[in-house]
This record gives sequence, structure tokens and C-alpha cells, in this order.
Amino acid sequence: QVQLVQSGSELKKPGASVKVSCKASGYTFTSYAMNWVRQAPGQGLEWMGWINTNSGDPTYAQGFTGRFVFSFDTSVSTAYLQISSLMPEDTAVYYCARVGGVGDTPIFKDFEYWGQGTLVTVSS
Amino acid sequence: EIVLTQSPGTLSLSPGERATLSCRASQSVSSSYLGWYQQKPGQAPRLLIYGASSRATGIPDRFSGSGSGTDFTLTISRLEPDDFAVYYCQQHGSSRTFGGGTKVEIK
Repeated sequence: QVQLVQSGSELKKPGASVKVSCKASGYTFTSYAMNWVRQAPGQGLEWMGWINTNSGDPTYAQGFTGRFVFSFDTSVSTAYLQISSLMPEDTAVYYCARVGGVGDTPIFKDFEYWGQGTLVTVSS
Repeated sequence: EIVLTQSPGTLSLSPGERATLSCRASQSVSSSYLGWYQQKPGQAPRLLIYGASSRATGIPDRFSGSGSGTDFTLTISRLEPDDFAVYYCQQHGSSRTFGGGTKVEIK
């Protein structure tokens, strides 16, 4: 079965960096792009962008350029989100998410699979 | 950017009642590109509906989606205790955006 397992909670000081991981299993990693979604405390969902796990090309949504970097390592079927120059406003739960499909064939573009979320807290 | 506006912000209903949630887009969205999610506190969102009206795997048939163009609806025919949660719509016809959510709470 498809699983996305994310790394644990992080507590960081302003100005530091953080790298969140999302380990995929149950499918061929390069068959599906990986998306990232942010949810600030008590707020709604914000799509951050996605990375093509074949070409490596990332696409960043408005508001998520500059300090946010998507990457992956196919050898361990893991996608990464790195955030630099952290600010208190970056405090949020970050989710990785994958679209729906059958086996290694994407069928629809809604997010059928989600990681459990990683809480990043930025505080001095 | 397509803005999705969900209404109402909060819906107060009793178990067994019918819930009707609205999602309005700032410009037309193809029906194929509209989905609905349920989120409970401390949990990741769960896909309920894709393509505006198709139920995702394992979703009970009391959940239904409809609509086209700029107006979409999620209907829960008879609320069960497990259905009290926050619901989000998302479009992926032009980039991707989420609506602000509707909280369905117990009256």
C-alpha cells in the first residue's frame, strides 16, 4: 500500500534552516510528482508547489519562492522540503502529498495520499 | 490565480441532518479539476471527491459532489458523528488553490 512517512517535529530559531523529509513506499517513486502543502496553526491549506521526480524540475507557488527548495533522492525514495532563513511566520504543519492513481499510473490529479505532516516551530 | 470561496464558514447541524457546502470559484474551473477533502484535528486531509463528483476509494455514498463552472457543492446526505470536521475544496485546473474551508460542527 502507498505510504508517505514524514520526519518528526522540528523546533528552530529564527534565521535557521530546516529540512523536512517524506519517504514514499508502495509505488515507484519516479512515477509520481511530489507536492507540498502548508497549514499554519488554526488556518487552512496552502499549496506550496511540486517537484517532478523524473526531471527534478520544481514548481513553486506564489509566496513560496526564494527560501523554499524542493529536492529528492530516488535511491531512498524520499522527497525533501528545505526552508532557509526561517521566520516565526513559517511555523506550520508541512505535508507532502501525491495524486491518485492505480499502481504506477496517475489517474487523477487530486491528492489521494498524504504524509502525516511535520510541525515546524520557529521561535527564539 | 483562481480564488475559491467556501461558504458558510461554519455549519452547525445535528447528526442525521443533511449538510450542503458551497465552493465558488473566481473563474470557471473544469469539473475534472475540482476535489473535496475532509480534515479532522491533528490529522492530514483525506480526499473525498475528485473530478467534482467521483467518490474516492472507501468514501461512503452519503458524500456526493456536484457542480460545474464556478459553483460546486459537497453534500453529506445524513451526518454521522464521524463527519464533523473541516472540509476544503481544491482546484487544479490552473495551478492549484484551496478554498478557505467550511467547519461542520455539532449543533
